[in-house]
Amino acid sequence: AQKITQTQPGMFVQEKEAVTLDCTYDTSDPSYGLFWYKQPSSGEMIFLIYQGSYDQQNATEGRYSLNFQKARKSANLVISASQLGDSAMYFCAMREDTDKGEYNQGGKLIFGQGTELSVKP
Amino acid sequence: KAGVTQTPRYLIKTRGQQVTLSCSPISGHRSVSWYQQTPGQGLQFLFEYFSETQRNKGNFPGRFSGRQFSNSRSEMNVSTLELGDSALYLCASSLAGVTYTEAFFGQGTRLTVV
Repeated sequence: AQKITQTQPGMFVQEKEAVTLDCTYDTSDPSYGLFWYKQPSSGEMIFLIYQGSYDQQNATEGRYSLNFQKARKSANLVISASQLGDSAMYFCAMREDTDKGEYNQGGKLIFGQGTELSVKP
Repeated sequence: KAGVTQTPRYLIKTRGQQVTLSCSPISGHRSVSWYQQTPGQGLQFLFEYFSETQRNKGNFPGRFSGRQFSNSRSEMNVSTLELGDSALYLCASSLAGVTYTEAFFGQGTRLTVV
């Protein structure tokens, strides 16, 4: 069964410093996708970044980058130059493809337990 | 471009009642998925709809059901509410296609069962 593990329940980082949030995954499917979401206290899940299993380059989106190490099955999120507004829960998720038909788009997201990031001024 | 809209944002219901939650996906998105988030179980997949058909279902009892309309809007229904159904219910919309690279979530509906 597919599984996502986030081993850091909580993390602290000083404002303007970089921080790495860990995520490891387990799957036997050669085709998968990895996502990171941010969830502030308001509850909304905010999409941050996506990495496909066949992507050669690590994904980057502004201050977010994904350190994808396929052999180690890890997909760590790196936030550079942390800001106070980055304080939130962060979830790593993996897409499990359940429909490999013509459109190959059936699927669901499996989430880790999350990491609560606190940015200190 | 409008995001994913979930209504209502907050609900308080009594045990035994039923409830209907609504989700309007991003324009052009045809896939809608629902998730339940609780402190104890985390985020769990409920079901996914595409072109008005349930394509995928998680491990939830039959009291949880849903549907999708021709405009891709989706509703989920929970009948005979139990205290354990208190949770944040999130819906996600995504494009249907060969690649599935993004799934955008709404703000969620926070359901409290008393």
